[in-house]
Amino acid sequence: SAVISQKPSRDICQRGTSLTIQCQVDSQVTMMFWYRQQPGQSLTLIATANQGSEATYESGFVIDKFPISRPNLTFSTLTVSNMSPEDSSIYLCSVFPGTYDEQFFGPGTRLTVL
Amino acid sequence: GENVEQHPSTLSVQEGDSAVIKCTYSDSASNYFPWYKQELGKGPQLIIDIRSNVGEKKDQRIAVTLNKTAKHFSLHITETQPEDSAVYFCAGNSGAGSYQLTFGKGTKLSVIP
Repeated sequence: SAVISQKPSRDICQRGTSLTIQCQVDSQVTMMFWYRQQPGQSLTLIATANQGSEATYESGFVIDKFPISRPNLTFSTLTVSNMSPEDSSIYLCSVFPGTYDEQFFGPGTRLTVL
Repeated sequence: GENVEQHPSTLSVQEGDSAVIKCTYSDSASNYFPWYKQELGKGPQLIIDIRSNVGEKKDQRIAVTLNKTAKHFSLHITETQPEDSAVYFCAGNSGAGSYQLTFGKGTKLSVIP
């Protein structure tokens, strides 16, 4: 498995501002992903964070709103830009170490936008 | 793309009884099906998974079965305990070799002492 940490664990933000969420893994991993989990809902894939290149976004998510960086094989950031109350969600980082098919999730960042 | 349906959305069982959660998937090329447990305030935890070349897999009190023909898979928890109370998500990958997972809507399991 992999040990994954996220910062911040939670935040309360004002609309119109931006928040950057960090994801750190204790070992090099092949793939990193960002998910959104709206209150009481399932997990929706936002994008795949590609090391050294632009992230690959899923339908309904765009780079201007959710810019992602992945400077190396153990770290990624997700920025939620120009936030509105609809962005209030849990944002989860997951990793695919590459050994088998397993994916592991971080503890999540709980974002509330006022 | 893959579509995963999960039932029931809520499930209450008495401590010691068994719990079964069922999922169906749409993409016949999917070959990896994990189950996650999410406790309140935490990220999803991988508890068991199954690949399409296997019909059943067990790990102590939990088991998963897969029926490729019918495109459905199930999670079975025996001798339930209060600490099993959580939201459980099934998922399927988007075809063989795909790393992307599509999740079901979740089942909130409550184990009543």
